[in-house]
Amino acid sequence: SQTIHQWPATLVQPVGSPLSLECTVEGTSNPNLYWYRQAAGRGLQLLFYSVGIGQISSEVPQNLSASRPQDRQFILSSKKLLLSDSGFYLCAWSRELATNEKLFFGSGTQLSVL
Amino acid sequence: GNSVTQMEGPVTLSEEAFLTINCTYTATGYPSLFWYVQYPGEGLQLLLKATKADDKGSNKGFEATYRKETTSFHLEKGSVQVSDSAVYFCALKPNNNDMRFGAGTRLTVKP
Repeated sequence: SQTIHQWPATLVQPVGSPLSLECTVEGTSNPNLYWYRQAAGRGLQLLFYSVGIGQISSEVPQNLSASRPQDRQFILSSKKLLLSDSGFYLCAWSRELATNEKLFFGSGTQLSVL
Repeated sequence: GNSVTQMEGPVTLSEEAFLTINCTYTATGYPSLFWYVQYPGEGLQLLLKATKADDKGSNKGFEATYRKETTSFHLEKGSVQVSDSAVYFCALKPNNNDMRFGAGTRLTVKP
């Protein structure tokens, strides 16, 4: 069966510090991978998605970047965190490009930037 | 563009009350529509989905019908339970790779 791992679960970082959140998927190959952010009082916002190694699509301009160094690994990074980067970050994967394919979500990372 | 508008919460109901959470969408082409649920302390999980017009998705007593004429996918349940307390997200997946979510509606069911 497929599983998705995301870590850390919680993170407190000072403004200006770097960030690295990691997500890995097991039990499948060539998944589509996604990073979402859920800010307090707001809905889910798609940040990045990837259809293959080294292929990253960005949905919104921001202080963050994403990389996919391996087929089942998706990393969210920042060189210098801002207060506005605080939020709940969710990694997700899906099997195919078909419109009816659902997303499988990780357990999320609560990031607090102070 | 593709977007989802979801009724704002929070929604507070008594146990066994009827629930409706409104969701409307804007999309090109023929998207699939979803409802995801996030229980306290957990990640999101799929609740139900519908892939074409007039389809009805259902799960755990929840239902939603894909209405193309009104571009809606309202979530309903006839009798809510305390265990249904969660945040509910409406989402659409158009003919590409990304899924668009609504802002989420927090439901609290009181005994």
